[in-house]
Amino acid sequence: GAGVSQSPSNKVTEKGKDVELRCDPISGHTALYWYRQSLGQGLEFLIYFQGNSAPDKSGLPSDRFSAERTGGSVSTLTIQRTQQEDSAVYLCASRRRLAGDEQYFGPGTRLTVT
Amino acid sequence: KQEVTQIPAALSVPEGENLVLNCSFTDSAIYNLQWFRQDPGKGLTSLLLIQSSQREQTSGRLNASLDKSSGRSTLYIAASQPGDSATYLCAVAPYGNKLVFGAGTILRVKS
Repeated sequence: GAGVSQSPSNKVTEKGKDVELRCDPISGHTALYWYRQSLGQGLEFLIYFQGNSAPDKSGLPSDRFSAERTGGSVSTLTIQRTQQEDSAVYLCASRRRLAGDEQYFGPGTRLTVT
Repeated sequence: KQEVTQIPAALSVPEGENLVLNCSFTDSAIYNLQWFRQDPGKGLTSLLLIQSSQREQTSGRLNASLDKSSGRSTLYIAASQPGDSATYLCAVAPYGNKLVFGAGTILRVKS
């Protein structure tokens, strides 16, 4: 079946602009995660959605970052007033229902802030 | 705070060699541990998932072990091939469930 998809695959934006990154999880997966992979920082957790529960936003680096998940499926990560340090690959993952289930990752969106 | 360390940071071996990648974590309260492969410019491909109650998992030439009490996992790759060249990432799922990743091991298999 289809895996996790993300769009766009690449995004170049000017400093100060807002960007939206999209994630389509695997159908039927109830949990969705956003991670960021940047040089020197490795892979770090940003935000986690599980069903209808309040999201775990503990990994968001600043209030310029926000995310929503509509209808329990598609998620959008929004970065306002982008800065050069936001340049990274943003990865989305989904998981079925149980906490011990495997996480499946999308191909990522490479964001470059000029 | 959970921390994950991978050793070595980089490894270069001739084709056909068996090799071991190491992963250690500081907090044994985990649901599971996953090994991933990442090719340059690509996303993460899950290789093996070991539940906290399991000791090892095998898939083809790959075997991963888990010793939760000592906070260690190893990924064994048998008869390495040039196509195995990639970055290998270890990640643990604490009870908070978000994955905590190591920095990875960059593997190069020379033909």
